[in-house]
Amino acid sequence: GAVVSQHPSRVICKSGTSVKIECRSLDFQATTMFWYRQFPKQSLMLMATSNEGSKATYEQGVEKDKFLINHASLTLSTLTVTSAHPEDSSFYICSAPSGGEETQYFGPGTRLLVL
Amino acid sequence: QQPVQSPQAVILREGEDAVINCSSSKALYSVHWYRQKHGEAPVFLMILLKGGEQKGHEKISASFNEKKQQSSLYLTASQLSYSGTYFCGTGRGSARQLTFGSGTQLTVLP
Repeated sequence: GAVVSQHPSRVICKSGTSVKIECRSLDFQATTMFWYRQFPKQSLMLMATSNEGSKATYEQGVEKDKFLINHASLTLSTLTVTSAHPEDSSFYICSAPSGGEETQYFGPGTRLLVL
Repeated sequence: QQPVQSPQAVILREGEDAVINCSSSKALYSVHWYRQKHGEAPVFLMILLKGGEQKGHEKISASFNEKKQQSSLYLTASQLSYSGTYFCGTGRGSARQLTFGSGTQLTVLP
């Protein structure tokens, strides 16, 4: 299957700082990538769709000015959590579709802890 | 709207069978099944695209009833490695995004 990487895998930051998370498709090109957030013992909630060459589309209730998404190339999307607060602490996972059936391949996730 | 999964949790012994259901109040274009181990990202199991379709992956298979707007995941002769949380994700047609169910926590005991 296709491989998606994320960096960093874990990050601890102070409240008020910004954190950037990278999502890369390693062996395929992805014009679209998806960003999810998962709180402990809960399901994955789609935050936004990252589109190469155009603006990201955000799900209802997700602040676009707080969660900045940049799809810099066909293999890279970044999510920047600006002015992070403790309530932003979560597991952030990206995915990218690949193949004829457009299977979603997930990155390994980034665990963010805001102190 | 989030698809509904049932049961929420199931505990079984190694070698036993289990069924996990996923139903939606909206029309389904595709159903994707994933397994997630604690602290890890979801791992793809299978995708079903057509009504009435069934697929198999070793001892794990699934069915998709488009008319009933539901899918079921069948795990036969379960192994310890099957433990984890299973999610169904429903596709939104051409939009490619997935909406995930609440998850079913499966625990296989020796």
